[in-house]
Amino acid sequence: DAGITQSPRHKVTETGTPVTLRCHQTENHRYMYWYRQDPGHGLRLIHYSYGVKDTDKGEVSDGYSVSRSKTEDFLLTLESATSSQTSVYFCAISESARADGNQPQHFGDGTRLSIL
Amino acid sequence: AQSVTQLGSHVSVSEGALVLLRCNYSSSVPPYLFWYVQYPNKGLQLLLKYTSAATLVKGINGFEAEFKKSETSFHLTKPSAHMSDAAEYFCAVSENAGGTSYGKLTFGQGTILTVHP
Repeated sequence: DAGITQSPRHKVTETGTPVTLRCHQTENHRYMYWYRQDPGHGLRLIHYSYGVKDTDKGEVSDGYSVSRSKTEDFLLTLESATSSQTSVYFCAISESARADGNQPQHFGDGTRLSIL
Repeated sequence: AQSVTQLGSHVSVSEGALVLLRCNYSSSVPPYLFWYVQYPNKGLQLLLKYTSAATLVKGINGFEAEFKKSETSFHLTKPSAHMSDAAEYFCAVSENAGGTSYGKLTFGQGTILTVHP
């Protein structure tokens, strides 16, 4: 299994509080991604990174920000959590040598986030 | 923009029966295609991928999928279902954009496979 660790694995918090989720990889892969999984929607891309300090928005980026100061860590922040952000969050990594899509992504085990 | 449709949110088969999970995509050029499996409380695990080589792709656990450009489909099959195949399956596409897609995936809605004894 790819060396991907997500923390925390579970979190319950209140509306309006800031939340940061961490993804740590030991594979030295260049590309990292954050997805959210909701019933009936599959997984949807929130943000992605193509290198240290290089990030961009995905399909559902509103209300989320990311940072990548080191190759191994990719942080997802909910500045002011809302109940609509209750979801399961997955981090993924890819070793693509080029910026194309022919390499598979490898996923962490997810963070279950509940916002009350 | 590309999209993925998985026909049937739930599929139920008997142990030993054929498994067929359907996936259709919409893309201006043939994309890269993937099937992932997810077991409860776990992340997604790659089953197989199509990256413009052979149209019939073999994956892990006895699964295979056939890329049909004319039908814009990439259906997943297994000749004989096992109880251990019960899980949720996701079809995903990545744009084949000559180096500018950054590997971003668009997922289908998922199909839950139930296997009865």
